[in-house]
Amino acid sequence: GENVEQHPSTLSVQEGDSAVIKCTYSDSASNYFPWYKQELGKRPQLIIDIRSNVGEKKDQRIAVTLNKTAKHFSLHITETQPEDSAVYFCAASIDMYNNNDMRFGAGTRLTVKP
Amino acid sequence: GAGVSQSPSNKVTEKGKDVELRCDPISGHTALYWYRQSLGQGLEFLIYFQGNSAPDKSGLPSDRFSAERTGGSVSTLTIQRTQQEDSAVYLCASSPGGHKGETQYFGPGTRLLVL
Repeated sequence: GENVEQHPSTLSVQEGDSAVIKCTYSDSASNYFPWYKQELGKRPQLIIDIRSNVGEKKDQRIAVTLNKTAKHFSLHITETQPEDSAVYFCAASIDMYNNNDMRFGAGTRLTVKP
Repeated sequence: GAGVSQSPSNKVTEKGKDVELRCDPISGHTALYWYRQSLGQGLEFLIYFQGNSAPDKSGLPSDRFSAERTGGSVSTLTIQRTQQEDSAVYLCASSPGGHKGETQYFGPGTRLLVL
């Protein structure tokens, strides 16, 4: 099955700086990579996702890059703000019918200092 | 429309008692997942339901854990003879299933505390 590793486990940045979280996956057949943000005491929520037919996707201050050859993908947050402080989870799966191969990384606790 | 809902939001129980946790997925979503999240930890997969197929129970940590999904909608996760290590947040998620991708939408979770 799929195995997803996520680094770093904790990340502290100054407001306005960039933050980068990296994930690697094991199953080369994986083709769908979502990122979830979980604020303290709340549910995980999808913030961005990428499919294997693209190498990069951007949504305002958030971008995700994918390197299928190396089997790693990264979340980039630019101009960080205190409200970006949360735990971020990456995941990987195969986008197909009746699939339950999505596996999550262990999470990265991001702290943005004002 | 309404998102995934879970009840109760908090549950405190005594060691050895049974508990039932409920999940109402988004209407029309055929896939339903249960996860466990211990304090400060990641998401541990428990069980997966897809339509009328047999559930994938491969993540259940012991035979004290079971889950049902009635009528392809509401799901109940049951923990029998609870232990203190069962204390965690139990998250339910649903996704459209089929060929619509696997974006999962999470419920708010049930915070279980076993004393």
